[in-house]
Amino acid sequence: QEQLVESGGGVVQPGKSLRVSCGGSGFTFSSYEMNWVRQAPGKGLEWVAVIWFDGSNMYYADSVKGRFTISRDNFKNTLYLQMKNLRVEDTAVYYCARGGGVPFAFDVWGQGTPVTVSS
Amino acid sequence: QSVLSQPPSASGTPGQRVSISCSGSSSNIGINSVIWYQHLPGTAPRLLMYSDIQRPSGVPDRFSGSKSGTSASLAISGLQSEDEGDYYCAAWDDSRNGYVFGTGTRVSVL
Repeated sequence: QEQLVESGGGVVQPGKSLRVSCGGSGFTFSSYEMNWVRQAPGKGLEWVAVIWFDGSNMYYADSVKGRFTISRDNFKNTLYLQMKNLRVEDTAVYYCARGGGVPFAFDVWGQGTPVTVSS
Repeated sequence: QSVLSQPPSASGTPGQRVSISCSGSSSNIGINSVIWYQHLPGTAPRLLMYSDIQRPSGVPDRFSGSKSGTSASLAISGLQSEDEGDYYCAAWDDSRNGYVFGTGTRVSVL
């Protein structure tokens, strides 16, 4: 079945870096746009970034622009989110989500990986 | 901060109909499709509605969507206990070059 599995979350100090990953299986990973969405404790869903199916375009939420980088390796069926200069307010569960299966919607989601930014 | 506004809560008894509104602007809902997600406790978010009114396979027809201008609504008819959870609208925003989510609505079954 179509599946996304995130990994790499953990506890990190403010100002440090962390990379989370998302592996896809059960579908042709290289054919789909991929996204990161996060949910801070007690808050709603927040879209973070998107990357085109071939990696040719990326867009970011204003809250992470200049600090986060989304990338993908279509040979490894893996999506990445490199997070630098982390802030306490970046603490959240980070979900990867597939886009393009249906218009402008995320039709497959992972279970999420928690990231805690704390001193 | 969320760009799309939703009521924080909605509730009903089993079998009742509940409606959730989503208010946006001319750069998102006004010109792009509205999507709805269901997020139940301890699970990954689930796509509930796309292209304003389309249900993915597996979503029961108790769920229906509508849109008018810069606002949209999700209706749940025949409310069931398993519908308890959070519901989010979303859309692409042309002025932000990104997706925007609603503030979320917690649905309770009394």
